[in-house]
Amino acid sequence: GAGVSQSPRYKVAKRGQDVALRCDPISGHVSLFWYQQALGQGPEFLTYFQNEAQLDKSGLPSDRFFAERPEGSVSTLKIQRTQQEDSAVYLCASSLGVGGMNTEAFFGQGTRLTVV
Amino acid sequence: GQQVMQIPQYQHVQEGEDFTTYCNSSTTLSNIQWYKQRPGGHPVFLIQLVKSGEVKKQKRLTFQFGEAKKNSSLHITATQTTDVGTYFCIYNFNKFYFGSGTKLNVKP
Repeated sequence: GAGVSQSPRYKVAKRGQDVALRCDPISGHVSLFWYQQALGQGPEFLTYFQNEAQLDKSGLPSDRFFAERPEGSVSTLKIQRTQQEDSAVYLCASSLGVGGMNTEAFFGQGTRLTVV
Repeated sequence: GQQVMQIPQYQHVQEGEDFTTYCNSSTTLSNIQWYKQRPGGHPVFLIQLVKSGEVKKQKRLTFQFGEAKKNSSLHITATQTTDVGTYFCIYNFNKFYFGSGTKLNVKP
């Protein structure tokens, strides 16, 4: 596609519900990043994939958060047993280079998750 | 660990005034990128700086990378209402960390 696509754009989940957020990166982009952006804050790193390999998941806030990119393209961020503090915009970014080195990152529009 | 401070946190200017935001690192950076995020939007790439002392210009925007590669700045000359948004520096590309951002508001 022309850019990074994320779905859904908006998600309202009841506390305790599981959610799955999808990211379609730009075709051919090796690197894929997930970020969490709370209201009025800067994006916080969650995890990084190089193709299908998850090389860094140090930013995932708890074991309720799980991300995968099984075929090296589409990625899914899953949050189990959602809590109110999980409410945020989840941004996905992809870049052509490895680790984002020397290449720009293209961001999706984000998924706004509200846990009620 | 590596720490990067971005200042100021907020800046309110009158249209036509200049604006500058700074990113300052405690350690040497290999390179740095700048992004702009409009209200309700997603971050959009502006520029990448790699070389010590590098200066790049995009119309009214001037980007600098310090000689020691520990600091960087973004300067906007004669701000316009279209410049409204939050400006982020990004460093440590293995993890693509964002600076805290500077939120710019421009009064017409």
